[in-house]
Amino acid sequence: GQQVMQIPQYQHVQEGEDFTTYCNSSTTLSNIQWYKQRPGGHPVFLIQLVKSGEVKKQKRLTFQFGEAKKNSSLHITATQTTDVGTYFCAGDSGGGNKLTFGTGTQLKVEL
Amino acid sequence: NAGVTQTPKFQVLKTGQSMTLQCAQDMNHEYMSWYRQDPGMGLRLIHYSVGAGITDQGEVPNGYNVSRSTTEDFPLRLLSAAPSQTSVYFCASSRGTGGNTEAFFGQGTRLTVV
Repeated sequence: GQQVMQIPQYQHVQEGEDFTTYCNSSTTLSNIQWYKQRPGGHPVFLIQLVKSGEVKKQKRLTFQFGEAKKNSSLHITATQTTDVGTYFCAGDSGGGNKLTFGTGTQLKVEL
Repeated sequence: NAGVTQTPKFQVLKTGQSMTLQCAQDMNHEYMSWYRQDPGMGLRLIHYSVGAGITDQGEVPNGYNVSRSTTEDFPLRLLSAAPSQTSVYFCASSRGTGGNTEAFFGQGTRLTVV
């Protein structure tokens, strides 16, 4: 079945440093979504990428979808303590929004 | 507009007991899903539904049943609880097609099987 790998598993940064998490799918995706989960909370949708090579920005967050639609990345510029949480990618390979989640990257930001 | 509502928030079961986790959404979404979340393993799909009367298995369906008699409700039944089913369970709903298909998650049910 479809597998979605995500690296790194953990990342500790100093406030103000940049952060990147990478996502790789074993199959071509129709779209990829990114979610953020705060400690003790539930996943919250950040963005959806659909087109090959697509790049989207949300303030300090930059999302990319690979040309082959099998990989994606999330980059945070100048991290803040409010960025703490676990970031998940979720791939939809067959339509119908049947999502396969990556294992997540837990981000900790230290002052 | 409550979004996705899950009950209960916490539950402790004894091995062999059965129970139903409730999930309801008020956004008229076609798609609903159940996931379990275990440390280091992300969210794994248990069962999902593309509309009332239609359900299908996800990645880890064994030991769980679902039904979808209405658009709003998608209960998850544990038939005979086992310690391996100790986990956090999330229900999610989303639009079927057309543009943004973001999934909206409930607050989760933290289940412990002893």
